[in-house]
Amino acid sequence: ETGVTQTPRHLVMGMTNKKSLKCEQHLGHNAMYWYKQSAKKPLELMFVYNFKEQTENNSVPSRFSPECPNSSHLFLHLHTLQPEDSALYLCASSQEQRGEETQYFGPGTRLLVL
Amino acid sequence: AQSVTQPDIHITVSEGASLELRCNYSYGATPYLFWYVQSPGQGLQLLLKYFSGDTLVQGIKGFEAEFKRSQSSFNLRKPSVHWSDAAEYFCAVGPKGRDDKIIFGKGTRLHILP
Repeated sequence: ETGVTQTPRHLVMGMTNKKSLKCEQHLGHNAMYWYKQSAKKPLELMFVYNFKEQTENNSVPSRFSPECPNSSHLFLHLHTLQPEDSALYLCASSQEQRGEETQYFGPGTRLLVL
Repeated sequence: AQSVTQPDIHITVSEGASLELRCNYSYGATPYLFWYVQSPGQGLQLLLKYFSGDTLVQGIKGFEAEFKRSQSSFNLRKPSVHWSDAAEYFCAVGPKGRDDKIIFGKGTRLHILP
């Protein structure tokens, strides 16, 4: 138990569906991250929020829409996804967005797009 | 541009044998260096990190890593592996500076033979 929870753990959705992934951290951190982990590819940073402001968007398609209502919660809204978006989506948090900060990861949401 | 290379995609060792996982980085200065482990179905967990000082770093679960500036390497070692060490291991580089992002290697999957 790292103090970072993600729901749901598994999600199957059609290409026309709209769904949301939720992440919550109980560590008092100020930075939160979304990563995509696909088979045979490095961990891809998608979004970073530092003190509730988005500081990083790594050219992520607009069908992925993040939301950070407060420093403890992070959402990833999904709509009209493609099969290649199937992956493990990991949320992480750290005290701040600095190079030396340890990131604490949630267990991930395994997403399958049909 | 900074990068992290883990040359071995898969490593297989016998239980009780010693282990060394390789990691090389490319960065203009000495970065912050991390090793994370991911067990099946789980998020990433920090094993150890190097910021400065003693180049031999001790981590959790009996792991250690040695920073070698001349070789731009940060290899992970364990004297005697246990079946529970079977997992995927990620080396990461965190550049020095605010708002900079951590870069992960592609990972090395460790298999343990009984």
